[in-house]
Amino acid sequence: DVKVTQSSRYLVKRTGEKVFLECVQDMDHENMFWYRQDPGLGLRLIYFSYDVKMKEKGDIPEGYSVSREKKERFSLILESASTNQTSMYLCASSLYQGWETQYFGPGTRLLVL
Amino acid sequence: RKEVEQDPGPFNVPEGATVAFNCTYSNSASQSFFWYRQDCRKEPKLLMSVYSSGNEDGRFTAQLNRASQYISLLIRDSKLSDSATYLCVVTALPANFGNEKLTFGTGTRLTIIP
Repeated sequence: DVKVTQSSRYLVKRTGEKVFLECVQDMDHENMFWYRQDPGLGLRLIYFSYDVKMKEKGDIPEGYSVSREKKERFSLILESASTNQTSMYLCASSLYQGWETQYFGPGTRLLVL
Repeated sequence: RKEVEQDPGPFNVPEGATVAFNCTYSNSASQSFFWYRQDCRKEPKLLMSVYSSGNEDGRFTAQLNRASQYISLLIRDSKLSDSATYLCVVTALPANFGNEKLTFGTGTRLTIIP
Protein backbone atom coordinates (compact mmCIF):
# COMPACT_ATOMS: atom_id res chain seq x y z
CA ASP A 1 0.00 0.00 0.00
CA VAL A 2 1.33 3.39 -0.97
CA LYS A 3 2.10 5.59 1.95
CA VAL A 4 2.77 9.31 1.92
CA THR A 5 3.48 10.83 5.29
CA GLN A 6 3.79 14.44 6.34
CA SER A 7 5.76 15.56 9.35
CA SER A 8 2.95 17.35 11.16
CA ARG A 9 -0.85 17.35 11.06
CA TYR A 10 -1.15 20.75 12.71
CA LEU A 11 1.36 23.55 12.99
CA VAL A 12 1.18 27.03 14.49
CA LYS A 13 3.88 29.54 13.58
CA ARG A 14 4.45 33.25 13.94
CA THR A 15 4.81 35.75 11.11
CA GLY A 16 8.39 35.90 9.89
CA GLU A 17 9.35 32.42 11.08
CA LYS A 18 11.00 29.95 8.73
CA VAL A 19 8.79 26.89 8.35
CA PHE A 20 9.74 23.43 7.10
CA LEU A 21 7.13 20.95 5.95
CA GLU A 22 8.43 17.47 5.30
CA CYS A 23 6.93 14.81 3.08
CA VAL A 24 8.10 11.21 2.72
CA GLN A 25 6.81 8.52 0.37
CA ASP A 26 7.74 4.86 0.60
CA MET A 27 6.91 3.62 -2.90
CA ASP A 28 9.93 4.80 -4.86
CA HIS A 29 7.85 7.32 -6.82
CA GLU A 30 9.70 9.65 -9.14
CA ASN A 31 7.22 12.53 -9.00
CA MET A 32 6.41 14.55 -5.90
CA PHE A 33 4.17 17.59 -5.49
CA TRP A 34 3.24 20.24 -2.96
CA TYR A 35 -0.24 21.79 -3.01
CA ARG A 36 -2.15 24.12 -0.81
CA GLN A 37 -5.89 23.82 -0.41
CA ASP A 38 -8.08 26.76 0.53
CA PRO A 39 -11.88 27.06 0.66
CA GLY A 40 -13.27 28.28 -2.65
CA LEU A 41 -9.87 28.03 -4.35
CA GLY A 42 -9.35 24.29 -4.31
CA LEU A 43 -5.99 22.61 -4.68
CA ARG A 44 -3.27 24.81 -6.11
CA LEU A 45 0.14 23.52 -7.12
CA ILE A 46 3.07 25.23 -5.41
CA TYR A 47 6.08 23.22 -6.61
CA PHE A 48 6.79 19.80 -8.03
CA SER A 49 9.75 17.57 -8.64
CA TYR A 50 10.35 14.80 -11.17
CA ASP A 51 13.69 13.66 -9.86
CA VAL A 52 16.19 14.10 -7.09
CA LYS A 53 17.55 17.65 -6.93
CA MET A 54 15.12 18.70 -9.60
CA LYS A 55 12.29 21.18 -8.96
CA GLU A 56 9.81 23.12 -11.01
CA LYS A 57 7.51 25.97 -10.10
CA GLY A 58 3.83 25.32 -9.99
CA ASP A 59 1.08 27.91 -10.18
CA ILE A 60 1.77 29.74 -6.92
CA PRO A 61 5.47 29.42 -5.98
CA GLU A 62 5.92 32.90 -4.51
CA GLY A 63 6.99 32.81 -0.89
CA TYR A 64 7.94 29.13 -1.02
CA SER A 65 10.95 27.03 -1.88
CA VAL A 66 11.51 23.27 -1.98
CA SER A 67 14.25 20.73 -1.55
CA ARG A 68 14.57 17.21 -2.84
CA GLU A 69 17.88 15.72 -1.76
CA LYS A 70 16.59 12.14 -1.67
CA LYS A 71 14.05 10.43 -3.88
CA GLU A 72 11.65 9.67 -1.05
CA ARG A 73 11.67 13.08 0.59
CA PHE A 74 10.32 16.41 -0.63
CA SER A 75 10.43 19.43 1.66
CA LEU A 76 8.48 22.65 1.40
CA ILE A 77 10.04 25.73 2.97
CA LEU A 78 8.34 28.97 3.87
CA GLU A 79 11.29 31.34 4.14
CA SER A 80 9.38 33.97 6.13
CA ALA A 81 5.88 32.87 7.00
CA SER A 82 3.04 35.31 6.46
CA THR A 83 -0.59 35.19 7.55
CA ASN A 84 -1.74 34.62 3.96
CA GLN A 85 0.14 31.33 4.01
CA THR A 86 -2.29 29.95 6.57
CA SER A 87 -3.68 26.95 4.73
CA MET A 88 -3.87 23.18 4.40
CA TYR A 89 -0.73 21.85 2.73
CA LEU A 90 -0.92 18.57 0.87
CA CYS A 91 1.98 16.57 -0.45
CA ALA A 92 1.50 13.99 -3.21
CA SER A 93 3.58 11.52 -5.16
CA SER A 94 3.12 9.54 -8.33
CA LEU A 95 4.97 7.16 -10.58
CA TYR A 96 6.60 8.53 -13.70
CA GLN A 97 4.64 5.94 -15.64
CA GLY A 98 1.28 6.14 -13.99
CA TRP A 99 1.39 9.82 -13.25
CA GLU A 100 -2.38 10.11 -13.35
CA THR A 101 -2.73 8.59 -9.92
CA GLN A 102 -1.38 10.94 -7.32
CA TYR A 103 -1.19 9.61 -3.78
CA PHE A 104 -1.69 12.27 -1.17
CA GLY A 105 -0.45 12.59 2.34
CA PRO A 106 -2.88 13.43 5.16
CA GLY A 107 -2.07 17.14 4.99
CA THR A 108 -0.60 19.71 7.34
CA ARG A 109 -2.89 22.43 8.59
CA LEU A 110 -0.68 25.48 9.09
CA LEU A 111 -1.79 28.53 11.02
CA VAL A 112 0.43 31.61 10.82
CA LEU A 113 -0.26 34.19 13.53
CA ARG B 1 -11.90 32.27 -16.49
CA LYS B 2 -10.84 29.37 -14.28
CA GLU B 3 -9.15 26.43 -15.97
CA VAL B 4 -11.52 23.98 -14.32
CA GLU B 5 -14.92 24.99 -12.97
CA GLN B 6 -17.34 23.06 -10.81
CA ASP B 7 -20.58 23.88 -9.05
CA PRO B 8 -19.51 23.86 -5.39
CA GLY B 9 -22.91 22.57 -4.24
CA PRO B 10 -23.79 21.34 -1.75
CA PHE B 11 -25.90 18.70 -3.41
CA ASN B 12 -28.16 17.11 -0.78
CA VAL B 13 -29.58 13.92 -2.20
CA PRO B 14 -31.71 11.18 -0.61
CA GLU B 15 -30.20 7.74 -0.31
CA GLY B 16 -30.92 5.61 -3.35
CA ALA B 17 -31.32 8.54 -5.71
CA THR B 18 -29.27 9.25 -8.81
CA VAL B 19 -27.14 12.35 -8.86
CA ALA B 20 -25.01 13.91 -11.58
CA PHE B 21 -22.66 16.83 -11.71
CA ASN B 22 -20.58 18.43 -14.39
CA CYS B 23 -17.25 20.10 -14.65
CA THR B 24 -16.16 22.45 -17.43
CA TYR B 25 -12.61 23.08 -18.54
CA SER B 26 -11.27 26.01 -20.51
CA ASN B 27 -8.25 24.58 -22.30
CA SER B 28 -9.37 22.80 -25.46
CA ALA B 29 -5.99 21.10 -25.67
CA SER B 30 -6.51 19.30 -22.34
CA GLN B 31 -5.70 15.68 -22.78
CA SER B 32 -6.75 13.60 -19.81
CA PHE B 33 -9.51 13.84 -17.26
CA PHE B 34 -10.22 12.32 -13.89
CA TRP B 35 -12.50 12.41 -10.90
CA TYR B 36 -10.95 12.41 -7.46
CA ARG B 37 -12.88 12.04 -4.24
CA GLN B 38 -12.09 13.82 -1.00
CA ASP B 39 -13.78 12.84 2.25
CA CYS B 40 -14.20 15.45 4.96
CA ARG B 41 -10.81 16.30 6.52
CA LYS B 42 -9.08 13.64 4.42
CA GLU B 43 -6.78 13.66 1.44
CA PRO B 44 -8.03 13.36 -2.17
CA LYS B 45 -8.01 9.92 -3.80
CA LEU B 46 -8.44 8.92 -7.42
CA LEU B 47 -12.00 7.77 -8.08
CA MET B 48 -11.86 7.10 -11.80
CA SER B 49 -10.41 8.19 -15.08
CA VAL B 50 -12.67 9.64 -17.77
CA TYR B 51 -12.28 8.12 -21.22
CA SER B 52 -13.47 9.60 -24.50
CA SER B 53 -16.00 6.81 -24.96
CA GLY B 54 -17.31 7.16 -21.43
CA ASN B 55 -16.71 4.58 -18.73
CA GLU B 56 -18.47 2.92 -15.89
CA ASP B 57 -17.27 1.57 -12.58
CA GLY B 58 -20.08 -0.02 -10.64
CA ARG B 59 -22.56 2.69 -9.74
CA PHE B 60 -20.35 5.43 -11.15
CA THR B 61 -20.37 6.61 -14.76
CA ALA B 62 -18.03 9.22 -16.14
CA GLN B 63 -18.41 10.93 -19.50
CA LEU B 64 -16.43 13.39 -21.57
CA ASN B 65 -17.84 15.90 -24.02
CA ARG B 66 -14.91 17.42 -25.88
CA ALA B 67 -17.05 19.63 -28.11
CA SER B 68 -18.59 21.40 -25.12
CA GLN B 69 -15.53 20.94 -22.94
CA TYR B 70 -17.08 19.30 -19.95
CA ILE B 71 -16.92 16.05 -18.06
CA SER B 72 -19.64 14.55 -15.94
CA LEU B 73 -20.01 12.11 -13.10
CA LEU B 74 -23.19 10.15 -12.51
CA ILE B 75 -23.79 8.20 -9.31
CA ARG B 76 -26.66 5.73 -9.28
CA ASP B 77 -28.33 4.22 -6.22
CA SER B 78 -26.42 6.61 -3.98
CA LYS B 79 -25.17 5.38 -0.61
CA LEU B 80 -24.46 7.28 2.57
CA SER B 81 -20.78 6.48 2.02
CA ASP B 82 -20.85 8.47 -1.22
CA SER B 83 -20.98 11.69 0.82
CA ALA B 84 -17.79 13.50 -0.08
CA THR B 85 -16.39 16.28 -2.21
CA TYR B 86 -15.79 15.28 -5.82
CA LEU B 87 -12.88 16.96 -7.54
CA CYS B 88 -12.69 17.29 -11.29
CA VAL B 89 -9.12 16.98 -12.54
CA VAL B 90 -7.69 17.90 -15.92
CA THR B 91 -4.18 17.69 -17.25
CA ALA B 92 -2.43 20.77 -18.45
CA LEU B 93 -0.44 20.69 -21.67
CA PRO B 94 2.19 18.04 -21.12
CA ALA B 95 5.74 19.05 -20.44
CA ASN B 96 7.28 15.60 -20.87
CA PHE B 97 5.76 12.18 -21.01
CA GLY B 98 5.30 10.93 -17.50
CA ASN B 99 5.50 14.40 -16.07
CA GLU B 100 1.95 15.58 -16.29
CA LYS B 101 0.67 18.24 -13.92
CA LEU B 102 -2.88 17.87 -12.72
CA THR B 103 -5.20 20.87 -12.47
CA PHE B 104 -7.89 20.42 -9.84
CA GLY B 105 -11.32 21.97 -9.73
CA THR B 106 -12.55 23.36 -6.44
CA GLY B 107 -14.86 20.41 -5.94
CA THR B 108 -18.56 19.64 -5.65
CA ARG B 109 -19.79 18.73 -2.22
CA LEU B 110 -22.27 15.87 -2.08
CA THR B 111 -24.26 14.83 0.98
CA ILE B 112 -26.43 11.72 0.88
CA ILE B 113 -29.36 11.98 3.26
CA PRO B 114 -30.76 8.85 4.95
